[in-house]
Parts: sequence; structure tokens; C-alpha cells
Amino acid sequence: EAQVTQNPRYLITVTGKKLTVTCSQNMNHEYMSWYRQDPGLGLRQIYYSMNVEVTDKGDVPEGYKVSRKEKRNFPLILESPSPNQTSLYFCASSLTRTGNTEAFFGQGTRLTVV
Amino acid sequence: DQQVKQNSPSLSVQEGRISILNCDYTNSMFDYFLWYKKYPAEGPTFLISISSIKDKNEDGRFTVFLNKSAKHLSLHIVPSQPGDSAVYFCAAVDDKIIFGKGTRLHILP
Repeated sequence: EAQVTQNPRYLITVTGKKLTVTCSQNMNHEYMSWYRQDPGLGLRQIYYSMNVEVTDKGDVPEGYKVSRKEKRNFPLILESPSPNQTSLYFCASSLTRTGNTEAFFGQGTRLTVV
Repeated sequence: DQQVKQNSPSLSVQEGRISILNCDYTNSMFDYFLWYKKYPAEGPTFLISISSIKDKNEDGRFTVFLNKSAKHLSLHIVPSQPGDSAVYFCAAVDDKIIFGKGTRLHILP
């Protein structure tokens, strides 16, 4: 079954404690991205990756890092989380980055930073 | 500045009637537009798309209309069903996917 898997689904952490949210896809997609969803703001892109070892900033990259060492995995790293990073995070993958290519989303990770 | 705007945060429609969700955009270089549907506690799922060279695309109960001169697209759902209650995101594609803020659709019994 084609899917995007994020872990964990829920996470509560304290300010400053480094964390990683994993994302894995089994569709051999080139393009992967991270979004955060906040009330009244919709889905905003954090980082994206067009292929292995190729990553770029989205609209709200501050406070986040990513890596793409393998095609299937695209972890999101918060080196020093802060309360304003409390949000619902989604990883997505698609065959390419443009055109009529459907993006598949993971089920989301609800992060709370206290 | 928002490039993709969904100006209605929510919409209520009677079951069996037509639901019309609207979306406006500012960038005439967008080459594809997509609609995603999202249930609580789930990731968004793709619903329907339209190329900028077309003005209509239909898939079952769902039809998307594109008016390039007005930079406006709409999603029509007919007839509306209870399972259609969800948040709908409009998205536009140039070199990345840009999402609107979403419209919450309530289908009333």
C-alpha cells in the first residue's frame, strides 16, 4: 500500500530539548516536503527536498532542519524547540515537484512544546 | 502576501444540495490547481485537480471550474453527502505547492 509514515503521532516536549520527527515514503517519490498547520493559517511549507541530498527552505524554515540522505526518508529536526513551534506537522511526498502530481500526506504529528 | 486565498473559513450546506467552495489566486503563472480534503486527525488527501489550460474538470460528484481572467476557481460537490464534511484546501502549483487556509464544510442532515 502506498503511504507516507510519520512518527511519532503525538509528542510533548520541553523547550530546548532536541527532537526529530521521522518521515518515510514507499513510493520512490523524488519530492518530499514538510508542512505545519496552524489555526487560521492553513498549511505552510517548512522545507522541501527535490531529491537525495537536495533540500531547500520553504515559507517558514526558521528553527527547523532537514536531511535527505536516502530517497525514502526525510526527517524534520528541531534542534532547540520553542513553544511557538507547537503545531500539527505533515510530511508529504510526490513523484515530482510540479505539474499535475498528487501529493501524498502522512497522518500528522501533533507537537506540543512546553 | 497570500497567493492563494480561501475567503470563507466555513460553509454549511444541506445534505443533497450543491456545495460550492471558492478560491482566489494572485499569480497568473500557476500551472496547476488542486483541491485537498482533510478529516480531523488525518493528513490531507488529494481530491481533484485542473490544469491552467482547462476551464473545467469533473470526477463523479466533484467538479472544479477555473476562471483564469478572474483568477478564481471553485469546487462543486453535488449532491452533498454527510461524509463530505471536512476541511477543504485549495492549492496552486508553480515550482512548489502553495495552499490556501482552508474552508470547513458542514453538511447538515
